[in-house]
Amino acid sequence: GIQVEQSPPDLILQEGANSTLRCNFSDSVNNLQWFHQNPWGQLINLFYIPSGTKQNGRLSATTVATERYSLLYISSSQTTDSGVYFCAVDSNYQLIWGAGTKLIIKP
Amino acid sequence: DAGITQSPRHKVTETGTPVTLRCHQTENHRYMYWYRQDPGHGLRLIHYSYGVKDTDKGEVSDGYSVSRSKTEDFLLTLESATSSQTSVYFCAISGQGLGYEQYFGPGTRLTVT
Repeated sequence: GIQVEQSPPDLILQEGANSTLRCNFSDSVNNLQWFHQNPWGQLINLFYIPSGTKQNGRLSATTVATERYSLLYISSSQTTDSGVYFCAVDSNYQLIWGAGTKLIIKP
Repeated sequence: DAGITQSPRHKVTETGTPVTLRCHQTENHRYMYWYRQDPGHGLRLIHYSYGVKDTDKGEVSDGYSVSRSKTEDFLLTLESATSSQTSVYFCAISGQGLGYEQYFGPGTRLTVT
């Protein structure tokens, strides 16, 4: 089945720094989503982005479907950005999840 | 935020006992899903529903059953809980189909002793 790999697995940054999280997938997909799981366990939708670029405030995402990767950019990090970031791709109408990138933002 | 609630939010139960988790939505979405999340992993699909009384298995369905008698409620049952079913369970909904944008409930932390 399709494989989803996220990198880096862990990232520690100072408040105000920028970061790029990557999601690679092994086969063509219909859709891709980015989620943030906050330290309390809640899963928050960030982007639904099968292709192209989207922006929402300090966050933006780009998916290049033909090259099988997606990038999540976080600018001017805040402590509230801490948590785990997941990408999930649609393969045969099931969401397949990566293992996540754990982000810690230090004040 | 999508109107999704899960109950109970926390439960501790003993091996061999039956357990039912409830997911309730107020969005009138057709599609509902149950996932489990284990430490260090993303989510894995247990079962999903594409309408009232219409359900199908996901990646890790063994030991679980589901029912959906109303659009707004999707129940997950562990007929005889095992320690390997200790996990955090998430419900999700989607207005379109599988693979389209999904919105998640707050989760239920289940511990089987």
